[in-house]
Amino acid sequence: AQRVTQPEKLLSVFKGAPVELKCNYSYSGSPELFWYVQYSRQRLQLLLRHISRESIKGFTADLNKGETSFHLKKPFAQEEDSAMYYCALSGQGAQKLVFGQGTRLTINP
Amino acid sequence: GAVVSQHPSRVICKSGTSVKIECRSLDFQATTMFWYRQFPKQSLMLMATSNEGSKATYEQGVEKDKFLINHASLTLSTLTVTSAHPEDSSFYICSARETASGNTIYFGEGSWLTVV
Repeated sequence: AQRVTQPEKLLSVFKGAPVELKCNYSYSGSPELFWYVQYSRQRLQLLLRHISRESIKGFTADLNKGETSFHLKKPFAQEEDSAMYYCALSGQGAQKLVFGQGTRLTINP
Repeated sequence: GAVVSQHPSRVICKSGTSVKIECRSLDFQATTMFWYRQFPKQSLMLMATSNEGSKATYEQGVEKDKFLINHASLTLSTLTVTSAHPEDSSFYICSARETASGNTIYFGEGSWLTVV
């Protein structure tokens, strides 16, 4: 079974501080991991995926298979980063995305 | 980028009636679309995978006869909530997989359903 856990429902940091949103997963095969972001009153949009190994809006995430984690990081938070962040997993050969519970990130000025 | 559109964005219906929500991929073809349900301040719960030209695959616990899914074309999937009850009130979100650009999944804007 596929499972994604985001332990923090809420996370609040000050502008300019580092940010780390935690994501752990459970899957027996080789997963594909994603981070989606939902800004206020907007639809979900893809932030990044682990196979791309790219940095979007200063965010990065590394897949750690040993710890079954895919934490999202940004060294210096900006106010416009305030949003709802969802970690998601797609199993090997599977088509569906399973989401974590989401973390609401608030960046304080 | 690719766009997925849902209609209606908000709908109110009476208990016992049926309501249909449409999900369209506007500039790409999607053989696979997904329907999610989201309760306030909670995560997205996958309801079913909609496959063009074949039956939808429902997640455990989702009533097939209550949530009818039809994916008759490569750009349109519909979710019909039959005999709606107030507990069906929720935010329904669809997404579509674009295979041409690395299987990226794009999301619709969601549809608010209120059953009174």
